Formats: sequence, structure tokens, C-alpha cells
Amino acid sequence: GENVEQHPSTLSVQEGDSAVIKCTYSDSASNYFPWYKQELGKGPQLIIDIRSNVGEKKDQRIAVTLNKTAKHFSLHITETQPEDSAVYFCAARNTDKLIFGTGTRLQVFP
Amino acid sequence: NAGVTQTPKFQVLKTGQSMTLQCAQDMNHEYMSWYRQDPGMGLRLIHYSVGAGITDQGEVPNGYNVSRSTTEDFPLRLLSAAPSQTSVYFCASSYSTPGSQETQYFGPGTRLLVL
Repeated sequence: GENVEQHPSTLSVQEGDSAVIKCTYSDSASNYFPWYKQELGKGPQLIIDIRSNVGEKKDQRIAVTLNKTAKHFSLHITETQPEDSAVYFCAARNTDKLIFGTGTRLQVFP
Repeated sequence: NAGVTQTPKFQVLKTGQSMTLQCAQDMNHEYMSWYRQDPGMGLRLIHYSVGAGITDQGEVPNGYNVSRSTTEDFPLRLLSAAPSQTSVYFCASSYSTPGSQETQYFGPGTRLLVL
């Protein structure tokens, strides 16, 4: 089955700096890769996703890149703000299932 | 719309007790799923359903049962709770399977402690 690895597990950045979170997946048949943000005490919320026929997608300060050959995808947050502090999860779709990475705790210091 | 609702918010059980975690959505979503979240392990899929009357196993189904008699409800049953089932449980739903054009919405979670 699919296996998703996510790095780093924690990330601290200064406000205004960029943050990058990386994930790798094992099943070359996976074709959908969402990113979720989870704030304390809440359920995860989708922030951006990318499909296997696209190499990059951007939404304001957030971008995701996908390298199908290497089977890895990354989340890029530019001009980070304190409200970006949260746990971020990547995921990969395998048939009817979403398989999640282990999460990255991002802290943005003012 | 209330979105995805889960009850209870918090529950303490003794080993061997049974209980049902409730999940409901009012968005007419066909696809519903249950995840558990443990420190350092991310979200792991327990069971999922692609529509009323249809359920299937996820990554970690042992010790849990589900049923889907209506589109709106997808309860998760623990028949004999074990300390290893201490976790935060999330229910999620979407119009169709993840990877279609539809966003998967998560509920607020149920925190379960098994003593």
C-alpha cells in the first residue's frame, strides 16, 4: 500500500521568512496530493491540493510542487505570518483512500 | 449548514467497555471516513464509506466497526475498548472520493481516553 513520509517534523521560522515542507510517497499510481492545516483543537482543513498532471500550483502565499519521477511533493509558504503557525499534513490518494504523512509543526515567531 | 458534526467531544472509557462515536453531515456528501490521530503518527484511516450501505476498511480497522444506513450518518463503534484505542478521532466527508474535484471536510474531533 501507499506510504507517505513527511519532513521536517518541526519547523521554526521568523515572520516574513519562507517555510518549506517536503513529502515523499511510495505508490506511483497515486494521483492526488492535498495539504491540510490543523490548528490547535480543531480538525484539519484543506489549504491547497495538486493533481498528478500538474507540476506546480499557487494560491497567494502558498504553493505546492510535484515531482512525479522522484515521487515527492512540497509545500511552500512565503512571507510567513504568526497565524500560519499550525500543524501541516500532506497526503496522497491511493484508490479510494487518502494516506497522510506524520505532520509538521510550524512555528512562526514575530 | 452545520458541516460535519461529531459527538461526544470527549469520552473516558474503561477497558472492555463499548461505545459509539457519532458523525453526521448535512451537505449530502456520499463519501465519509473515520481517522484516528496519534502523536507522531499523523492521521490514519480506520474505515470509509463511498455511499449508503457501502463500507470498507482503511489502514487500521481492527477493533472498530462501522455502518452507513443513511447518507448523513456514519457511526464508529468500539465493541471492547482497549488502552491502545486512546486517541483523537476525526470524521470527514466529501461529495465523492478524495481526488475528485471535491474538498474533504473534517469534523472537530472526539478525544477518547481508555483506562
